[in-house]
Amino acid sequence: QQQVKQSPQSLIVQKGGISIINCAYENTAFDYFPWYQQFPGKGPALLIAIRPDVSEKKEGRFTISFNKSAKQFSLHIMDSQPGDSATYFCAASTASGTYKYIFGTGTRLKVLA
Amino acid sequence: GAVVSQHPSWVICKSGTSVKIECRSLDFQATTMFWYRQFPKQSLMLMATSNEGSKATYEQGVEKDKFLINHASLTLSTLTVTSAHPEDSSFYICSARDLASQPQHFGDGTRLSIL
Repeated sequence: QQQVKQSPQSLIVQKGGISIINCAYENTAFDYFPWYQQFPGKGPALLIAIRPDVSEKKEGRFTISFNKSAKQFSLHIMDSQPGDSATYFCAASTASGTYKYIFGTGTRLKVLA
Repeated sequence: GAVVSQHPSWVICKSGTSVKIECRSLDFQATTMFWYRQFPKQSLMLMATSNEGSKATYEQGVEKDKFLINHASLTLSTLTVTSAHPEDSSFYICSARDLASQPQHFGDGTRLSIL
């Protein structure tokens, strides 16, 4: 029940295309869902995050879509660029207790020039 | 804002030595810090959670005596890998959050290689 399932494991997209990464969770107590971007040899960097009271959030080329009833959320990267090539992690957390994250397994995105 | 600095970025040492890794929040007070371990092409595995002035809470399967965590101030946490062995070689990453907001902000990690 604590797992966050992430798919696909890897993704190849043409430059200018849309990259879509999906995550699903079971624990309804989760109420904070961030996405992180990680480049090789670096720590994860926060991209965008959403709470369950909102169905969509957009920041620049990055959009989170959230479906509370399905317990799913996804990251959309519009106009994907070669510089977006990285590993993306979704996570889920609660707004109480330790605030610790449950991470997804990661998606390695490659954007072809 | 929300910068977390981790030092050193890379360390190589002999088997049996102890290694200390520092994690500092540069522009905010980190009430909670987290330590993760990451193997190549895998996700982040939480090792422990520490609150300033309190003992760290370790995840199941993480040896407390092996991985010593100290969170003595609101801007500094340290992870000491004691008597390190080759199997402890990994990428260690810290993160921090402040009381006012939920996101964890990550350092750039420490690559530890034990010969």
